[in-house]
Amino acid sequence: NAGVMQNPRHLVRRRGQEARLRCSPMKGHSHVYWYRQLPEEGLKFMVYLQKENIIDESGMPKERFSAEFPKEGPSILRIQQVVRGDSAAYFCASSPNSGDSSYEQYFGPGTRLTVT
Amino acid sequence: AQTVTQSQPEMSVQEAETVTLSCTYDTSESDYYLFWYKQPPSRQMILVIRQEAYKQQNATENRFSVNFQKAAKSFSLKISDSQLGDAAMYFCAMGNAGNMLTFGGGTRLMVKP
Repeated sequence: NAGVMQNPRHLVRRRGQEARLRCSPMKGHSHVYWYRQLPEEGLKFMVYLQKENIIDESGMPKERFSAEFPKEGPSILRIQQVVRGDSAAYFCASSPNSGDSSYEQYFGPGTRLTVT
Repeated sequence: AQTVTQSQPEMSVQEAETVTLSCTYDTSESDYYLFWYKQPPSRQMILVIRQEAYKQQNATENRFSVNFQKAAKSFSLKISDSQLGDAAMYFCAMGNAGNMLTFGGGTRLMVKP
């Protein structure tokens, strides 16, 4: 069973460009979470999605950031008009549908975004 | 709001010795889980151990064990017989069913040969 997959692993964008980060959850998982990790800090929650629904986006910046998890295909975190402060590692995690194990989140390897 | 605090930015331990990493948390929820994640230089987040809040028995996983003090809202990680491969950032985290995880700021563990 493949783990959570993220691509690209590294992404370099110039200020003003768009960054698109992809996440494929583990097979059988329908819950996806995005977190951001700034250098020397812990992970900070951004958004929680289920298929075709945003459940909690309380951690998302109000502007330039959006996320989706379509019926088919990976979850996408989109950052428009990137600025240097967006440089960070972005982690995706997934969890199963229900039951006790739904508390546990499995993390992907992360995408390191560098804005130049 | 939930908060997780790790008061030790850095810790070091001699190989084969035991080290304890501290974590305190705050929540108004009665049903929650606590986790310790390891983040080596590769940046992959690896689950080390988890504890259900409703269980009184402390979780153990091989050389890793926790000291869960629910009344004190404390959740420390003990690593026994430390190995060089244990060197990493360690993050304490708390979660509720189907909800986000709240992470502490992390503790960098160094293992001396």
